[in-house]
Amino acid sequence: AQSVTQLGSHVSVSEGALVLLRCNYSSSVPPYLFWYVQYPNQGLQLLLKYTSAATLVKGINGFEAEFKKSETSFHLTKPSAHMSDAAEYFCAVRSGTASKLTFGTGTRLQVTL
Amino acid sequence: DSGVTQTPKHLITATGQRVTLRCSPRSGDLSVYWYQQSLDQGLQFLIQYYNGEERAKGNILERFSAQQFPDLHSELNLSSLELGDSALYFCASSDISGANVLTFGAGSRLTVL
Repeated sequence: AQSVTQLGSHVSVSEGALVLLRCNYSSSVPPYLFWYVQYPNQGLQLLLKYTSAATLVKGINGFEAEFKKSETSFHLTKPSAHMSDAAEYFCAVRSGTASKLTFGTGTRLQVTL
Repeated sequence: DSGVTQTPKHLITATGQRVTLRCSPRSGDLSVYWYQQSLDQGLQFLIQYYNGEERAKGNILERFSAQQFPDLHSELNLSSLELGDSALYFCASSDISGANVLTFGAGSRLTVL
């Protein structure tokens, strides 16, 4: 069975500081991995995806994530946080023949002045 | 606008009632997924349809049912509603090729009183 674990349900950073949101996956086969963002009262929007082409994946809004097989991790980073980054972030996995995504529990990012 | 349309955006109803949530997938996408998002359960996969046929089933209650019509729109029917069914219901669509990126609608917020 596939699953993802997001460490930290709430993360608070200062504007301009590094953003690091953690995600670890469990999959018996090479996975596809995704990060989605949910702004208040909106649906989920794809930030980036890992499809085995390159281990460092760049997404929208300056976010990137690195796939590390040895650590079974896919952490999301952004060098400098903006107030507009405040949202909930979800890591998701798809593996094998299943086409559905399995989501983590989400991390709420707060950005302070 | 993601291209996935969900109606209604908000719905308030009473326990024991039945409601229908509607989803129009993004143009060209044959697969539709339904997810439930609640504070205590997070994002839970309910069911997937592909070109009119059920493809995968998740944590969907027997009181819930869904279908996908020939024009590819989908409906999620929730009956004998309970207070605990109050949640955001998301529809997503994909073409299931490659990485199978899911595109989400804005959601239908159901409140059961």
